[in-house]
Amino acid sequence: NAGVTQTPKFQVLKTGQSMTLQCAQDMNHEYMSWYRQDPGMGLRLIHYSVGAGITDQGEVPNGYNVSRSTTEDFPLRLLSAAPSQTSVYFCATERAPPGGTEAFFGQGTRLTVV
Amino acid sequence: QQQVKQSPQSLIVQKGGISIINCAYENTAFDYFPWYQQFPGKGPALLIAIRPDVSEKKEGRFTISFNKSAKQFSLHIMDSQPGDSATYFCAASKIPGGAQKLVFGQGTRLTINP
Repeated sequence: NAGVTQTPKFQVLKTGQSMTLQCAQDMNHEYMSWYRQDPGMGLRLIHYSVGAGITDQGEVPNGYNVSRSTTEDFPLRLLSAAPSQTSVYFCATERAPPGGTEAFFGQGTRLTVV
Repeated sequence: QQQVKQSPQSLIVQKGGISIINCAYENTAFDYFPWYQQFPGKGPALLIAIRPDVSEKKEGRFTISFNKSAKQFSLHIMDSQPGDSATYFCAASKIPGGAQKLVFGQGTRLTINP
């Protein structure tokens, strides 16, 4: 039972390149999300999805695209990488039992844009 | 717009001491307040959470104190151990039911000196 799997773990891009960060889950959770983590900024929501075929923007969506064709996969696309997108990216799923939401995070992708 | 403010940004505590991390929120609609723990190279994981109908919740050495009127909550780690060294995030979300977007604080890097 892998939980949330992100690939790659590390990536270096040149400014202007595009790439896709992969996220796969085997927890059968409907809700998935992408966060970026920057020093002193905490975890900021980029995009999220409440189920296959449904996505929406979070706090910092500019420069990123997502799609959700299956429950299991939620890729994040960088359209034209910029140095400001250097960050650690986390994919997460959520379950919502009556007591409150619990998020399950992948191990992260460390992205450097030069 | 930072809806959850966390302090301090970093904290050094001696082994056996008490670690205290504070958070303040603005949105009175929030009604679920979790804390996440993140070790280097890993994604955050749920540590402990509280609902506003109680003022304190304790799980082992970890305690959340909640002050609804002040819109503040804090994490206390008693008898702090070197293995507690990690980054801690407070968060807030709204219930009822279904997955709700979590809003995270900026994070606190805790170091426990042996």
